[in-house]
Amino acid sequence: SQTIHQWPATLVQPVGSPLSLECTVEGTSNPNLYWYRQAAGRGLQLLFYSVGIGQISSEVPQNLSASRPQDRQFILSSKKLLLSDSGFYLCAWSVGHGTGYGYTFGSGTRLTVV
Amino acid sequence: SQQGEEDPQALSIQEGENATMNCSYKTSINNLQWYRQNSGRGLVHLILIRSNEREKHSGRLRVTLDTSKKSSSLLITASRAADTASYFCATDALGSNYKLTFGKGTLLTVNP
Repeated sequence: SQTIHQWPATLVQPVGSPLSLECTVEGTSNPNLYWYRQAAGRGLQLLFYSVGIGQISSEVPQNLSASRPQDRQFILSSKKLLLSDSGFYLCAWSVGHGTGYGYTFGSGTRLTVV
Repeated sequence: SQQGEEDPQALSIQEGENATMNCSYKTSINNLQWYRQNSGRGLVHLILIRSNEREKHSGRLRVTLDTSKKSSSLLITASRAADTASYFCATDALGSNYKLTFGKGTLLTVNP
């Protein structure tokens, strides 16, 4: 069966510090991978998505970047965090071809920038 | 930008009652999906309805889709306290390359 792992669950970082959030998927190959951010009481904002190794599309210009060094690994990074980067970050995967498939989400990382 | 908008933003009902949440969207879609999120957790996929379908059932869930009105509804029958969560609709828009766009959600509270 497929599983998705996302860590850490919570993170408190000072302004200006770097960030690295990791997401891995097991039990499937060539998944589509996504990073979303959810502000308190709001919907999900798509940040990045990837349809293959090294293929990253950015949806929103911002202080963050993403990388996909392996087929089932998706990393969200920042060189210098801003207060506005605080939020709930969710990784998700879906079948890598065709439409009509739901997303499977990780359990999320609560990031607080102080 | 938000493709789907849920209505109402919050809904409070008693256990045993039915809960209906609505979603409106703006562009043509391949499919529309509903997700559930318990507080502080990831989202869980509930049901997917394709653009050529009008109604779909899964257990106590019933989803309808009206593509002419660009709207969908999620009905939870015989609600339970454990159904308390936020519910989001998400659209897979035509030409979106399988990306989902989520609404802001409806917070459902089921009182025991």
